[in-house]
Amino acid sequence: DAGVIQSPRHEVTEMGQEVTLRCKPISGHNSLFWYRQTMMRGLELLIYFNNNVPIDDSGMPEDRFSAKMPNASFSTLKIQPSEPRDSAVYFCASRLGPGTSGAHEQFFGPGTRLTVL
Amino acid sequence: GDSVTQMEGPVTLSEEAFLTINCTYTATGYPSLFWYVQYPGEGLQLLLKATKADDKGSNKGFEATYRKETTSFHLEKGSVQVSDSAVYFCALTGGGSQGNLIFGKGTKLSVKP
Repeated sequence: DAGVIQSPRHEVTEMGQEVTLRCKPISGHNSLFWYRQTMMRGLELLIYFNNNVPIDDSGMPEDRFSAKMPNASFSTLKIQPSEPRDSAVYFCASRLGPGTSGAHEQFFGPGTRLTVL
Repeated sequence: GDSVTQMEGPVTLSEEAFLTINCTYTATGYPSLFWYVQYPGEGLQLLLKATKADDKGSNKGFEATYRKETTSFHLEKGSVQVSDSAVYFCALTGGGSQGNLIFGKGTKLSVKP
């Protein structure tokens, strides 16, 4: 398996522009997570999905952020409009669904490094 | 709510030195405990885990023991290598976290030859 795939790996954009980050989870995994990592705040959970349904988006910083999971093999995280304080590394992770024996281990993608100028 | 506290880094060691990274937790119920490692430019990957009190997780020469009485899960390695240079995250799930991982802030380890 190729693992969790994220694209792009690096994104540089200007303030006010729309940014879309993409994630393909591991095939067969039913839960998907979006995290943000910064030096100041560490690793923050933004939102997670079970079976394509958003379960908890309390970590989404504000309405400029939105996430979708239209099917089991694809998710997007969109920022519109972007701001310099959104600069961070964004990780996607997936795991087997809750209640399964492997449910605790999350598999992380390589991340997208976002820079908003 | 549930939380994880790790020793602050960075930690700098010489090759073959002994490593300890402290981790303590606060949780309701009986969480499972994890150490994840992040190598430069990569995502996090699971290093080891323990799911109940007194369990010892081990992998790649690293060990950690689930100590319920002290609510701790300290990471140890007897002889570190340059290739162990990375950021290490302690995490928990279960208890009050509804099955999601609660991470500590991470400890950066640098090993010098």
